[in-house]
Amino acid sequence: DVKVTQSSRYLVKRTGEKVFLECVQDMDHENMFWYRQDPGLGLRLIYFSYDVKMKEKGDIPEGYSVSREKKERFSLILESASTNQTSMYLCASRRHGTGELFFGEGSRLTVL
Amino acid sequence: QKEVEQDPGPLSVPEGAIVSLNCTYSNSAFQYFMWYRQYSRKGPELLMYTYSSGNKEDGRFTAQVDKSSKYISLFIRDSQPSDSATYLCARDAGGTSYGKLTFGQGTILTVHP
Repeated sequence: DVKVTQSSRYLVKRTGEKVFLECVQDMDHENMFWYRQDPGLGLRLIYFSYDVKMKEKGDIPEGYSVSREKKERFSLILESASTNQTSMYLCASRRHGTGELFFGEGSRLTVL
Repeated sequence: QKEVEQDPGPLSVPEGAIVSLNCTYSNSAFQYFMWYRQYSRKGPELLMYTYSSGNKEDGRFTAQVDKSSKYISLFIRDSQPSDSATYLCARDAGGTSYGKLTFGQGTILTVHP
């Protein structure tokens, strides 16, 4: 089975802190994604990566950056966390050319 | 207007009922349509995937796409308490945007015994 692992399930940070959310997949998938999920808004794409060292902005990239140095790992970075970044963050991976996304269990971030 | 609109519910039905979940989309370029199911405190998982108009059936689940009216539906027959979850519709525009999914808001479904 494909496994997408998000290192932290629950985080509490203070405004202005730098936050790293880590995601690792074990199926050699080329494509990886970061979404955030908010009530009433569904899932919104923040950034995605088609392959190592490649990244593209999604629909809501402001306030976020990403890093993909190795194929299996895709990190989401909040340079200076703000309260409006309190959310559930979901990482997903996909084999290039296929449709199915495999999601991790999510990281719930609270920014105080 | 959001590209994919979904009634958030919540929807509560008795066990054994037929459930109908619906989404509309605004962009006629959308090519691929999916339904994901998300249990509480879990990530979404793919339930159904379809490309063309018409029906696709998998056990108790049927996905229907009507491209002329830009409407996608998921039907659950003989619903079970284990079907209680949030159901998310999604579209993939394909082409140069292939792989970038746009999700609806999700519908919360509760099936009570």
